Amino acid sequence: QSALTQPPSASGSPGQSVTISCTGTSSDVGRYNYVSWYQQHPGKAPKLMIYGVTKRPSGVPDRFSGSKSGNTASLTVSGLQAEDEADYYCTSYAGSNNPHVLFGGGTKLTVL
Amino acid sequence: QVQLVESGGGVVQPGRSLRLSCAASGFTFRNYVMHWVRQAPGKGLEWVAVISSDGKNKYHADSVKGRFTISRDNSKSMLFVQMNSLRAEDTAVYYCAKDFGDSGSWYFDYWGQGTLVTVSS
Repeated sequence: QSALTQPPSASGSPGQSVTISCTGTSSDVGRYNYVSWYQQHPGKAPKLMIYGVTKRPSGVPDRFSGSKSGNTASLTVSGLQAEDEADYYCTSYAGSNNPHVLFGGGTKLTVL
Repeated sequence: QVQLVESGGGVVQPGRSLRLSCAASGFTFRNYVMHWVRQAPGKGLEWVAVISSDGKNKYHADSVKGRFTISRDNSKSMLFVQMNSLRAEDTAVYYCAKDFGDSGSWYFDYWGQGTLVTVSS
């Protein structure tokens, strides 16, 4: 059960767009459309931002979008705002005989 | 509103046991799959375990398999994790998390505030 691979950091200026990648394998990200993204501010619990690769829960701004190509999923944050500065984690369902969830290592997004 | 409140954390010696609890309210607990997720200090998130809505199906991460057991009491809207043979690497904030869907979606739409478990001699 290896973690998904995310860049440790990403950054952008207010108003810009930034994309965070999440690379797995053909056994997880590449096989299932059960990819989600979470935002975590310091000292707080994570918040679901994207599920099912591209869907946004109610209340999440449409500045946040998700996509997937092959074994790599991506989160794009458009029109960056100061409050978007946080850690972002991707997840993927993995395994049918041994169901489990893999998390990415996390990406620290800095708004310059 | 949905509330998840964890309890039971603390300092425990290596090799000892601890039981964490999570009190749920604001939704029909018995209808939802539930998870435990942990986060070591300054580190990323790690999924720990999942339990079906009726408690019959349980799955655990390889890192805790054979040592941790997830369970639930639907009559009391409570989620538990029994942690045995604790190791230093189990030191983390433990979150209980509600599954997004009623049949298990593997997404977590509500989280508790977490309870810290420190394994140290």
